[in-house]
Formats: sequence, structure tokens, C-alpha cells
Amino acid sequence: NAGVTQTPKFRVLKTGQSMTLLCAQDMNHEYMYWYRQDPGMGLRLIHYSVGEGTTAKGEVPDGYNVSRLKKQNFLLGLESAAPSQTSVYFCASSYTAFQETQYFGPGTRLLVL
Amino acid sequence: KQEVTQIPAALSVPEGENLVLNCSFTDSAIYNLQWFRQDPGKGLTSLLLIQSSQREQTSGRLNASLDKSSGRSTLYIAASQPGDSATYLCAVTPPNDYKLSFGAGTTVTVRA
Repeated sequence: NAGVTQTPKFRVLKTGQSMTLLCAQDMNHEYMYWYRQDPGMGLRLIHYSVGEGTTAKGEVPDGYNVSRLKKQNFLLGLESAAPSQTSVYFCASSYTAFQETQYFGPGTRLLVL
Repeated sequence: KQEVTQIPAALSVPEGENLVLNCSFTDSAIYNLQWFRQDPGKGLTSLLLIQSSQREQTSGRLNASLDKSSGRSTLYIAASQPGDSATYLCAVTPPNDYKLSFGAGTTVTVRA
């Protein structure tokens, strides 16, 4: 039981490049989330999904897109990276509603030059 | 908009001392409050979850209290150990919304 895994662990992009972050969970959770963590600001929700085939915007969705084609996977895409997207990205999942305990992945550190 | 504050941002104590971590929030209409632990370069691990109807939750050396009316929660860690060194974050959930609001965290160092 690996829990929540994220790929890659670290990435450097140039402004304008695109990339996809992969999140996978093996706990059969319905809800999945993408957060970003910036120094002194806590975590902020980017997008979330309440089940396979569904996605919704969170607090800071601009510049990101997501897809949930399979229940166990949640992808976060950056179409045209900007320096403001330099951050640590965390994926999380929970069995049902948002209000239940969320299980977090180890994070992806992204640097946009 | 819910604002969650954790003061101080950093704390250093000698081993064996009890830790007291504070979390305050501006909107008392919450569904629950959670405390998380984050180790350097790692994700978050849930420590305790307190429902809005509860006053406290305990797990081993950890005890979290909640005073919803005053917008405060306190995490107590008894007899601290070097292994307790980490960043501790609190997060509140509104009753009819999806969004967890996180504090920026308190980074704890326990000196051996």
C-alpha cells in the first residue's frame, strides 16, 4: 500500500514550457486535490475532483488544468509555465467528503526560470 | 474570507519540555479543524481532527483543544522529543464548502 505518490519529485522549467504532474493513489479514494505551498502562505487549493471524470476549480486555478480519467490518477498540467508558478505542489486524497482526513503525497518541487 | 494564523512561526525548546502550539481563525463557523505535521521535504501527515462539536481530541502525547467561539485551537505535545521536530500546520473546514484553509505553520525544533 503506497498511499499517495507523486511524479516527478523535482523539475526545472523555462518560462513558457509545459509539463504534467502525476498523482496516483491506491486507497480507492473518491476525492483528490492539488495544492500549492508557498513560503509563509500555507497551502492553497488549485483544483479538486470528487470522482472519476470530474474536476472543479479551487482557490487558485489560473494557469493550471487537471484531468481525472481514472479513479486512481489525478493529473495537473501547466500549459505555459510562469515564474509565479515556482512552488511545491502537493496532491492529496480522501475517501469521501472534503471534511474528512486528507492523505498527502510527498510533493513535487517546481522551479520555473 | 477565513484567515488562519499560527504564531509563532518558529519555536525552539529543549528536550522534555511541553510544547504549546497556537492556531487562530477569524470565522467561527467551521465544520472541523485539523492539525498536520510536515517533515522537511515531505508531505503532510494528519495528526488530529476535531469536529466543531468537540472540545478536544487526544492521541498519545498529543492533545488538541478547540474553542470555536473564540476562534482558537491549541496543540499540546507532552514531553517533547527530538523526533517531534517538524512544521505543524492547522487547517479549518467550513460547513458547506470544500475549501480547507491552512495556516502557514509553526516550525518546531526540539534540542537534545
